[in-house]
Amino acid sequence: DIQMTQSPSSVSASVGDRVTITCRASQGISSWVAWYQQKPGKAPKLLIFASSSLNSGVPSRFSGGGSGTDFTLTINSLQPEDFATYYCQQATSFPRTFGQGTKVEIK
Amino acid sequence: QVQLQESGPGLVKPSETLSLTCTVSGGSINTYYWTWIRQPPGKGLEWVGYISDSGITNYNPSLKSRVSMTVDTPKNQFSLTLSSVTAADTAVYYCARDRSVAYDSWGQGTLVIVSS
Repeated sequence: DIQMTQSPSSVSASVGDRVTITCRASQGISSWVAWYQQKPGKAPKLLIFASSSLNSGVPSRFSGGGSGTDFTLTINSLQPEDFATYYCQQATSFPRTFGQGTKVEIK
Repeated sequence: QVQLQESGPGLVKPSETLSLTCTVSGGSINTYYWTWIRQPPGKGLEWVGYISDSGITNYNPSLKSRVSMTVDTPKNQFSLTLSSVTAADTAVYYCARDRSVAYDSWGQGTLVIVSS
């Protein structure tokens, strides 16, 4: 199985800050990474697919990048509704695997 | 837009079988793959497996001996069964539409507790 390791596990930030979350795959996965946002008690919501493609309706302050084994999710100008947990997921082989999550908290 | 809704018992006894159904509305179940993902309380996401509209399946090897999925295209539904459950199978179970590169539509999730 491909292991997906996110860092940090949690980050405290203020409204307006830029936040970057990193995801490292245990082997090369080209650009086949997706990012999800999950709020408490809710299903995950797709933000980005294929490393850098923004899903329909997702604000442009979210961006993704990377290829091979190292990927990033960046949130520019953090908004109150962005405080949530974020997961990366590899889409290159089965079983599909997710990172352990990064919680973005209010400073 | 497509909507998904999980249904099934919220409480299952140890050693018994967990059965859930996902109903797809606002779109056809045809031409897509459909996935189950679970999340133990307070923990991360685990891929359970997928089924296609024609019944092709792929399961997580960690669950393969206990999991089965079926699809009912006329009803726009697909189902999950997990046998011989233990407390470790307690989780919120989500169904989702599989676009191959990501899961773009999710059900709200249903909590299944394994307890006697």
